[in-house]
Amino acid sequence: NAGVTQTPKFRVLKTGQSMTLLCAQDMNHEYMYWYRQDPGMGLRLIHYSVGEGTTAKGEVPDGYNVSRLKKQNFLLGLESAAPSQTSVYFCASSPAGLAPRDTDTQYFGPGTRLTVL
Amino acid sequence: RKEVEQDPGPFNVPEGATVAFNCTYSNSASQSFFWYRQDCRKEPKLLMSVYSSGNEDGRFTAQLNRASQYISLLIRDSKLSDSATYLCVGREGSARQLTFGSGTQLTVLP
Repeated sequence: NAGVTQTPKFRVLKTGQSMTLLCAQDMNHEYMYWYRQDPGMGLRLIHYSVGEGTTAKGEVPDGYNVSRLKKQNFLLGLESAAPSQTSVYFCASSPAGLAPRDTDTQYFGPGTRLTVL
Repeated sequence: RKEVEQDPGPFNVPEGATVAFNCTYSNSASQSFFWYRQDCRKEPKLLMSVYSSGNEDGRFTAQLNRASQYISLLIRDSKLSDSATYLCVGREGSARQLTFGSGTQLTVLP
């Protein structure tokens, strides 16, 4: 199993450009999440999804859109990138039902490092 | 006020030392708590879950005090490989959303 993968790993954008970050998981998890992490800070939730075709806003959703057309994929879009969106973006997934105690949490992808100039 | 607060450190300790990290949370609705480890420029990885009864995994011991809204992590016999940032994390909501602290940086020195 590859677990959670993210594409691309790095990207540099100019202000105003758009892009889509792709997250894929092969663990058949129902829940998926997008976070951003800024220097010296913990991760903050942008958007999340509890199943195919459903999405919801997290703590910092402004400037981002998401889609979950397939259970295994969760896309994060930036329609008009701003320098404030320079960050490391992490995707995560988790099962919906009860899991064994030690695995009852989220699994993270390796991250996408985005710089907006 | 942040929902999950941690001392950012850095903690610099010699190999073999015992080090303790503390964390407080403000959301009493938080259902579960975890400690994650994050190495430089890598994704967070689950270190251990935290239970009211306390739990131990080798050199690591985690404790939750719901009355005080306080979480702790104890690392005994520190190894060089323990150098990382330790994130205190709470979970709440029907979608199991996680709320992260800012992390505590640990460096174990030879």
